[in-house]
Amino acid sequence: DTAVSQTPKYLVTQMGNDKSIKCEQNLGHDTMYWYKQDSKKFLKIMFSYNNKELIINETVPNRFSPKSPDKAHLNLHINSLELGDSAVYFCASSPTGEQEYFGPGTRLLVL
Amino acid sequence: AQSVTQLDSHVSVSEGTPVLLRCNYSSSYSPSLFWYVQHPNKGLQLLLKYTSAATLVKGINGFEAEFKKSETSFHLTKPSAHMSDAAEYFCVVSDRVRNAGNMLTFGGGTRLMVKP
Repeated sequence: DTAVSQTPKYLVTQMGNDKSIKCEQNLGHDTMYWYKQDSKKFLKIMFSYNNKELIINETVPNRFSPKSPDKAHLNLHINSLELGDSAVYFCASSPTGEQEYFGPGTRLLVL
Repeated sequence: AQSVTQLDSHVSVSEGTPVLLRCNYSSSYSPSLFWYVQHPNKGLQLLLKYTSAATLVKGINGFEAEFKKSETSFHLTKPSAHMSDAAEYFCVVSDRVRNAGNMLTFGGGTRLMVKP
């Protein structure tokens, strides 16, 4: 199926650990994004990459590092996880300037 | 800077009655506007989008929204609610960024509850 996919779907981990979330899109889009949805359902953009180049970097702690090995992938690595990092993380992709297609989300719980 | 305000955090309607979810936006430019729906424990699905064509936009599942520039509003409506419409709805404004990609700003969400 053509889609935006994320792995894992659920991630439960201890404070202080380092974890990665992977995102892949096979829609041929040029731009990919990471969003964070907090417990109050508020969604905020974290990063955006266009053709592997970082174009949006909102005020996100530098413990979060996106990596785009190629146009179809945008992975999110998080160092030294904190309780406040618990959230749902959504990956999305879009053709340049067009609507975004969202992945199913990764539910991260930091204990 | 752009912003989106969804005026109601919760809306409750009876099945078969009309739905109105309110959204006001502010943007420095001519924005693109979207409504997304999120069902419980699911991802985000696009309902409809406005991109400076017709001001009345029809979306999926019988939803539509009207762009009113003078009121800076983009309210979402549906003539008759169905139980399956119960979900969280997000109004979103988009500005282009450096001619590549979008800068989406989400409203706080409106939870729609549908009573039998």
